[in-house]
Amino acid sequence: DTEVTQTPKHLVMGMTNKKSLKCEQHMGHRAMYWYKQKAKKPPELMFVYSYEKLSINESVPSRFSPECPNSSLLNLHLHALQPEDSALYLCASSQEGQSGANVLTFGAGSRLTVL
Amino acid sequence: SQQGEEDPQALSIQEGENATMNCSYKTSINNLQWYRQNSGRGLVHLILIRSNEREKHSGRLRVTLDTSKKSSSLLITASRAADTASYFCATRSYTNAGGTSYGKLTFGQGTILTVHP
Repeated sequence: DTEVTQTPKHLVMGMTNKKSLKCEQHMGHRAMYWYKQKAKKPPELMFVYSYEKLSINESVPSRFSPECPNSSLLNLHLHALQPEDSALYLCASSQEGQSGANVLTFGAGSRLTVL
Repeated sequence: SQQGEEDPQALSIQEGENATMNCSYKTSINNLQWYRQNSGRGLVHLILIRSNEREKHSGRLRVTLDTSKKSSSLLITASRAADTASYFCATRSYTNAGGTSYGKLTFGQGTILTVHP
C-alpha cells in the first residue's frame, strides 16, 4: 500500500462547528504532516509529527488541533474556524530520521469551506 | 521565510517542446525536490537532488542544482498534454525545536505549466 488516504474529500462547516479531518497511511512511515494550501499558492507547513510526537508547529492558531493516535493515523480537529481558513488541507507522510530525505507522499487533500 | 522562488510563474508551450522551470532559494539546504500537482489534487514527488549533486535525470526529467547560486532548474523534455500541472520545488533544511533538529520541507511558489496538444 503506497497511499495516503484523506477523509472527507470535501467539508463545509460553519464558524461554530467542530469537525475533524482524517489521514491514514500504511507504508510504515514514521513522520506525518499537515499542510494548508490556498488557491494558486504553495502548500504551507502546519504541523509535523515524528514517531507520533508533535515535532513542528508552525505557529498555527489554536483553532486547529492536531492529533496522532498511532503511527498510521493523523487527525486535524477544527473548531471556531474563520472563512479565511477555507483551503485545501493536505496530509503527507515520509520515512523519517535525522538522515531522512523528507520525500513526501501526499494524500489527495480535503477541501474545506468555512461559511 | 519562504524558500524556493520559482520562475516563470506560468509557462505555456506546445506538445513536443521542452519546458524549463527555475527555482531559487535563500538558505543552506540538505536536498532539493520537485513535485507536481494536478489541479486541486495532492502533490506527487518527481525527483530529488542532494546538495552534493549537480545534475540528475529521471525519464524525461532533468534537474540541475547550483549551490553557489542557490538555484535549481527542472527540464521536461518532449512535453505532452498530460504534463499540464503545477510544478513546485521544495527545499529541505533543518529546524531546531526544543533542542532537537528536524528536517523540514518548504515549497516554492510554483510554476503553472500548460502544454497544448
